[in-house]
This record gives sequence, C-alpha cells and structure tokens, in this order.
Amino acid sequence: KAGVTQTPRYLIKTRGQQVTLSCSPISGHRSVSWYQQTPGQGLQFLFEYFSETQRNKGNFPGRFSGRQFSNSRSEMNVSTLELGDSALYLCASSSQQGRGGAESGYTFGSGTRLTVV
Amino acid sequence: DQQVKQNSPSLSVQEGRISILNCDYTNSMFDYFLWYKKYPAEGPTFLISISSIKDKNEDGRFTVFLNKSAKHLSLHIVPSQPGDSAVYFCAAIYQGAQKLVFGQGTRLTINP
Repeated sequence: KAGVTQTPRYLIKTRGQQVTLSCSPISGHRSVSWYQQTPGQGLQFLFEYFSETQRNKGNFPGRFSGRQFSNSRSEMNVSTLELGDSALYLCASSSQQGRGGAESGYTFGSGTRLTVV
Repeated sequence: DQQVKQNSPSLSVQEGRISILNCDYTNSMFDYFLWYKKYPAEGPTFLISISSIKDKNEDGRFTVFLNKSAKHLSLHIVPSQPGDSAVYFCAAIYQGAQKLVFGQGTRLTINP
C-alpha cells in the first residue's frame, strides 16, 4: 500500500514569490493535514481537510492556504514568500474512521523542504 | 502557550538498556496521546498511542505510560537498539480538533 506522497521534495524560491506544494494521501484516506517544521517553532499545525472542506486551521497568516480535491489529494499554497517561511512542510493523512487517526496514528509523508532566499 | 512539552532536548542511552522519554501537557481536553520517531529530512513515523482512559499501552519494545493526575506521559523503549537513534516527538489531540499538538522533541542517541 503506497504511503503519503509529497511533491516536490525540495524547492528553492525567492522572497515575494508564491509556491504550491502537493500531497497525495494513502488510498482511502479522506483526511489530509499540513504541518510546518522549523528549528525554532517545532512542528506546527497549518490546516486539515476532509472531503474537500477545511475543518480546522492553525495560527498562520492568510498567505498560507490550501485545498483538497475530490480524489482527496491536497495542495497548499504560500503567497508572498518570506525568509521565515523556509521550513519542512509535512502532510499527514488518516482514515478518520471513528478515532482512527488518533488510535492508529496519522501517516506522514517525507515532506517538502522549502528554502526561501 | 506550549500545551505539550518535552523538557529534555537530548538523551543518551547505552545499547540494550531502557530508554525513557518524557512528556508533559497542560490541556485536560486531550484525549489521545501519540509518540512519533523522526529521522532528518523524513516525515515522523508513528510508534504508539494511548487513550486518556488508559494508563498503559504496550507494543513490542515500546510502552507508553500515562499519568493523568500529573498530566505526564512517558515512552519506554526496551531494549534500546542503535536503530532507535532519532528524534522522538510526543503529540496530543482532542476530539473535534482534528490536529496534533507536538512537543519540541527529544533527540535519543543509543551508544554501542
């Protein structure tokens, strides 16, 4: 069974540009979450989607947005990039059957390393 | 406001001995706690979880203990192996939130 796939693995962008990251969840998983990992702030929740609807959003500025498609694939977009947006962006999926994500653990992808110069 | 805290940034343990990683939390609404292992440039890998209605959960070499009155949980790894060297994250979730709240992580090094 294929895992969570994130593309691209590495990305270098210039300040002011925008970027789109992609995540394909495990087949059958309808919940997709995004996290940002930085050395200073650790792992922080960005947002969560289920059946194309954003159910929860973390404390990030409006420059960070996302969406989910009917096949459960998700994208996140960051506009007007800042140096501080340099981070590892992680996507996680879960089956969301009952407390499935909490009981069996959310499955993370390998992440996209974004560097803003 | 850090709701989940791992106060030890690093831990060094001899191969074959027990590794104990600790985690404290402040939010009484958390109803599940999870432990993840992470290697550099990879996503976290789920190890084990525990419901707030239990005080212990075991899976092979990994055991998680939960002390609700102290708002404290710990992960025990017995015996420790070189492949266990990684950063370990404690995470918590509460029903309806659909998001994991992570601690800052503890770097575990297993020495031969």
